[in-house]
Amino acid sequence: DIQMTQSPSSLSASVGDRVTITCRASQSISSFLNWYQQTPGKAPKLLIYAASSLQSGVPSRFSGSGSGTDFTLTISSLQPEDFATYYCQQSYSTPYSFGQGTKLEIK
Amino acid sequence: EVQLVESGGGLVQPGGSLRLSCAASGFTFSSYWMHWVRQAPGKGLVWVSRINNDGSSTRYADSVKGRFTISRDNAKNTLYLQMNSLRAEDTAVYYCARDPSAAGGWFDPWGQGTLVTVSS
Repeated sequence: DIQMTQSPSSLSASVGDRVTITCRASQSISSFLNWYQQTPGKAPKLLIYAASSLQSGVPSRFSGSGSGTDFTLTISSLQPEDFATYYCQQSYSTPYSFGQGTKLEIK
Repeated sequence: EVQLVESGGGLVQPGGSLRLSCAASGFTFSSYWMHWVRQAPGKGLVWVSRINNDGSSTRYADSVKGRFTISRDNAKNTLYLQMNSLRAEDTAVYYCARDPSAAGGWFDPWGQGTLVTVSS
């Protein structure tokens, strides 16, 4: 099974900051990497699929990159509504797996 | 509007059974692969199971294999998860989600979730 590791586990930042979250796979997953945002009490929301494709309706300040084992999610200029928990997920092979999450908090 | 609405959650004793449902609307349900994902209280997301568009192929996480069964009724636009031999560690919010790419393995949208609590 493929293990996904995110870093950092938590992050404090300010509105307007540029933020990067990293996700590493235990083996190569090509570009089968997806990113989600979850706010408390709500279902996750798809942000990025296939490593770098922006889901329709998601603001362009979100971007994804990487391939193989190392991936990043970047938020170019944090907005108040971006403070949430972010998860990466591999879809290379079942059982699909998620990273442990990165909680983005207001500094 | 594409919408998924889960139901069927609740309190069940260890060893008991529960069937979750996920009603789909706003899209051609029979064209899409579907998934169940769960989240224990205060914890991260865990993929549980997936089914292809016609129900002929299924996959499970090792932790539920042999106890849970995913199925679908395309005539009723409904996805199911039959959960047997429930354990305390199955306590979680269960989400259904659509795979918009047919087999790309990403999830959009998600339902609002239904809480399953396994406790005596």
